Amino acid sequence: EVQLVESGGGLVQPGGSLRLSCVASGFTFSNYWMHWARQVPGKGLVWVARVRGDGSSTTYADSVKGRFTISRDNAKNTVYLQMNSLRGEDTAVYYCVRDFNWSLGNWGQGTLVTVSS
Amino acid sequence: DIVMTQSPDSLPVSLGERATINCKSSQSVLASSLNKNLLAWYQQKPGQPPKLLIYWASTRESGVPDRFSGSGSGTDFTLTISSLQAEDVAVYYCQQHYTTPFTFGQGTKLEI
Repeated sequence: EVQLVESGGGLVQPGGSLRLSCVASGFTFSNYWMHWARQVPGKGLVWVARVRGDGSSTTYADSVKGRFTISRDNAKNTVYLQMNSLRGEDTAVYYCVRDFNWSLGNWGQGTLVTVSS
Repeated sequence: DIVMTQSPDSLPVSLGERATINCKSSQSVLASSLNKNLLAWYQQKPGQPPKLLIYWASTRESGVPDRFSGSGSGTDFTLTISSLQAEDVAVYYCQQHYTTPFTFGQGTKLEI
């Protein structure tokens, strides 16, 4: 069974940093692109970033480019999202997602990030 | 960016009735090299993460009841629930996986 468990969310001041982690299990982690997506509570879904299975390629939404960095450690079955220069509009539930057949196949439960002074 | 537009925003349906949700993309999401439409549908219930229902526009994910079906090609797609059950009350999203940034529709809230 595919499991994705996020951690690292919390309250951070504007301009601050946070690193999210997602530990994966139940599949061969290095074979899959991994994504982060986010959702403001009560609002819609927004894709944030992706990283290739071997970590060699990354892509970002324009809204986070230059501030967020996605990475992975295949030895630890873990994907990360380093978030710097955080803004109020980054407040959201952040989901770790496994790519599956050109779709967002499996989602973690999410971790809430609140950016506020 | 590809803009995904769903209709309607909310859909009141009676139990046992058919529900149809539409999704239109601002450009084609047909990947000619794969001969597949890179369009997916998700269901999100309150307090839960989204769940993949349909990928490649019409392929049902494993374990998804066969009352859920997807159709369409190019820029116009439809999710149909043939006979609404109480547990189908949720928000449904379409999403294109054709090109980054991957984008979602605004969601359709299905209500009894």
